[in-house]
Amino acid sequence: KQEVTQIPAALSVPEGENLVLNCSFTDSAIYNLQWFRQDPGKGLTSLLLIQSSQREQTSGRLNASLDKSSGRSTLYIAASQPGDSATYLCAAGFQKLVFGTGTRLLVSP
Amino acid sequence: EAGVAQSPRYKIIEKRQSVAFWCNPISGHATLYWYQQILGQGPKLLIQFQNNGVVDDSQLPKDRFSAERLKGVDSTLKIQPAKLEDSAVYLCASSLEGRAEYFGPGTRLLVL
Repeated sequence: KQEVTQIPAALSVPEGENLVLNCSFTDSAIYNLQWFRQDPGKGLTSLLLIQSSQREQTSGRLNASLDKSSGRSTLYIAASQPGDSATYLCAAGFQKLVFGTGTRLLVSP
Repeated sequence: EAGVAQSPRYKIIEKRQSVAFWCNPISGHATLYWYQQILGQGPKLLIQFQNNGVVDDSQLPKDRFSAERLKGVDSTLKIQPAKLEDSAVYLCASSLEGRAEYFGPGTRLLVL
């Protein structure tokens, strides 16, 4: 049974810092790993999708990496901004996605 | 491109009442998902449809929850009767097969 863990549960940084969010999963037989952003009271916004044959994906200031053998993924956010404040969720799976509990990020001006 | 639509956005009911949620996926997306997100937790998959067939409903409490996907497009999720622990956000998502999932805004349910 797939289990997804995200560390840290919460993170507070000053504006401009580069930061890394961590995600680990127990079953390496995944098809996709997807990172999402969730703002309070809102649905999930897809940030990046990494398929099992890929090692990383980039979109703007975001870079996500995948290491299936170690069961880990990281989301790197460069030059953080207050607008990046949200909960970041990682989900991994084969035929269905299993979600972690998220990292709550606060970027202060 | 229009996103995933859900209604209603909010619902307050008393325990033992019934409630239904509606979802319209992104046009052309064959796969549709219903998730339950309890406060402070990640979403949990309730049911997955491929066109109008059920792929996975292993975590759907079938004694009280039901779902259908009409003609492989819109879907409804029903709870009857509701319990206090059903208070959560119900999220609908859709995807092309094997591709990224896109989520709707969710329906926030409060059971009193």
